[in-house]
Amino acid sequence: SQQGEEDPQALSIQEGENATMNCSYKTSINNLQWYRQNSGRGLVHLILIRSNEREKHSGRLRVTLDTSKKSSSLLITASRAADTASYFCATDLGWRNTDKLIFGTGTRLQVFP
Amino acid sequence: DVKVTQSSRYLVKRTGEKVFLECVQDMDHENMFWYRQDPGLGLRLIYFSYDVKMKEKGDIPEGYSVSREKKERFSLILESASTNQTSMYLCASSPNRGRWKNEQFFGPGTRLTVL
Repeated sequence: SQQGEEDPQALSIQEGENATMNCSYKTSINNLQWYRQNSGRGLVHLILIRSNEREKHSGRLRVTLDTSKKSSSLLITASRAADTASYFCATDLGWRNTDKLIFGTGTRLQVFP
Repeated sequence: DVKVTQSSRYLVKRTGEKVFLECVQDMDHENMFWYRQDPGLGLRLIYFSYDVKMKEKGDIPEGYSVSREKKERFSLILESASTNQTSMYLCASSPNRGRWKNEQFFGPGTRLTVL
């Protein structure tokens, strides 16, 4: 089942611009996480936001969470060519403390120099 | 740094072969996961394990089995490989406590082609 759905599927911007990606989900969550994947590689954890939090920052990343709308957004400010990657949201439903995650289908971000 | 390693980056097998994909983590994590990743479908959970010798089915377990005899090692087994199992396979681990609780650490992936 696809709990998380990212929007847009693909995004192309110029260096220096901001990139915003959205994630919608269907059921109650413990937390929501964002991961990044460079082409052909494994995923790297970026940021986690808990269900009782509304906004979180980490460097150039800003994540918001609206549990009433079951949606989250990831904002990358002042993007760089090195930010080119796929970005996935993942929801943690809190199953037996194993942190089983359900991933969305991802947003492919291309940042042109 | 947490390190998750996978036995092969690329693997080519023939239909009907038994295939073993190995994953090893060095941070004493309790939880380990196997996903497959296909274009347009994102990551789908095949199996996961929350302790040695324990395993749970994920969303797409059919055609796969797993083994976790030691805490650091989680193996994915394709009993009889088929062409529809051609995919990128990703292993991950996560701790049950501490600073990185709730976060999954991924290996580099194994791109499996079944001919």
